[in-house]
Amino acid sequence: NAGVTQTPKFRVLKTGQSMTLLCAQDMNHEYMYWYRQDPGMGLRLIHYSVGEGTTAKGEVPDGYNVSRLKKQNFLLGLESAAPSQTSVYFCASRSGRGRDFGPGTRLTVT
Amino acid sequence: AQSVTQLGSHVSVSEGALVLLRCNYSSSVPPYLFWYVQYPNQGLQLLLKYTTGATLVKGINGFEAEFKKSETSFHLTKPSAHMSDAAEYFCAVSDNNQGGKLIFGQGTELSVKP
Repeated sequence: NAGVTQTPKFRVLKTGQSMTLLCAQDMNHEYMYWYRQDPGMGLRLIHYSVGEGTTAKGEVPDGYNVSRLKKQNFLLGLESAAPSQTSVYFCASRSGRGRDFGPGTRLTVT
Repeated sequence: AQSVTQLGSHVSVSEGALVLLRCNYSSSVPPYLFWYVQYPNQGLQLLLKYTTGATLVKGINGFEAEFKKSETSFHLTKPSAHMSDAAEYFCAVSDNNQGGKLIFGQGTELSVKP
């Protein structure tokens, strides 16, 4: 299986533009998570989902929306991008090992 | 609320020396504790985890960590550093409820000098 995949890998947006980051997992995991990573701040949880059709807010949800219409996909949306959202975004799913992380999406907002 | 504090944002050791990365946590319930490693421009890889049982946990690449409830600590050690250990290390805590959210520390960058 492919594990946790993220698309795109890189993206540059202008302030005010919108975009959607896609996370996909083929391991039939129920729980999925979106994190952002910023220097010196570790990873901070944006939103998470405990199953298809359910989502919940994490530590830093403002400016982001999510959807989990299918169990294997967890989408992160930015409706109106701001420079403060420049970051590396990681998706993860919960397994018996712990959390399986995707490779990340590097987003720059100018 | 749970939280994690990693002491030292940068740690530098010589090749062959002991590696000690410090992690203290706060949790109102029995914690699940994790250490992850991140190599440059890559995702996170699980090194080891503590859930219940034996307090000394062995992980990959020769790393181990000891859960000390009385000190609320979960320090990561490796007896002899290798150049390939240079990376960023993250400690994380979960209560395994409330969606199993992982709360991360701010990370410690490990440098290994030849």
